[in-house]
Amino acid sequence: QSALTQPPSASGSPGQSVTISCTGTSSDVGGYDYVSWYQLHPGKAPKLVIYEVTKRPSGVPDRFSGSKSGNTASLNVSGLQAEDEADYYCSSYAGGNNLVFGGGTKLTVL
Amino acid sequence: QLYLQESGPGLVKPSETLSLKCTVSGDSISSSSYFWGWIRQPPGKGLGWIGSIYYTGSTSYNPSLKSRVSMSVDTSRNQFSLKLSSVTAADTAVYYCARLNIAATNFDYWGQGTLVTVSP
Repeated sequence: QSALTQPPSASGSPGQSVTISCTGTSSDVGGYDYVSWYQLHPGKAPKLVIYEVTKRPSGVPDRFSGSKSGNTASLNVSGLQAEDEADYYCSSYAGGNNLVFGGGTKLTVL
Repeated sequence: QLYLQESGPGLVKPSETLSLKCTVSGDSISSSSYFWGWIRQPPGKGLGWIGSIYYTGSTSYNPSLKSRVSMSVDTSRNQFSLKLSSVTAADTAVYYCARLNIAATNFDYWGQGTLVTVSP
């Protein structure tokens, strides 16, 4: 059960869009439509921003969107705002009630 | 509003057992609609799923930790617990408890996490 692959960093200026990728295998990302994305701010409880590849929990701005193609899922954040600066982690169901996370991406708003 | 709060020793000696509790408020841990889980983040590293438990006591553990992990629920206290045996420095991490949806595919509410250091 290997970790999903994410770029260590991503950045964009306020108002711009940024996309973070999450690559797995056919046993996790590619095999199920159960990819989630989490936002981590230091010292705060992690927050679910996308689940089941494309769905947004109540209260999450529609600037956050998700997609998947094959074994790679993506999180897009449009109209970047200062408060979007955080670490983002993807996660995927991997069968047998197992879950696997990505290595995390630090998003910097320039 | 749902709140989860981790509690337990912040320092554990090598070879001993790490024990943490998660107290849930704002929802019943006996709800048939959710699982409950533990995740950890070693310093400077990514998140790692430890395991999940249903209120009936049914569990799923990360295969890499399965031989050392034990989880339980206490419905009378609305708590669930984690035990990790034979710890080493590699188990030093921030430990989070969280609620999972019924399909056990995503964590919708998390605690703030608690740092556990393994050191003599």
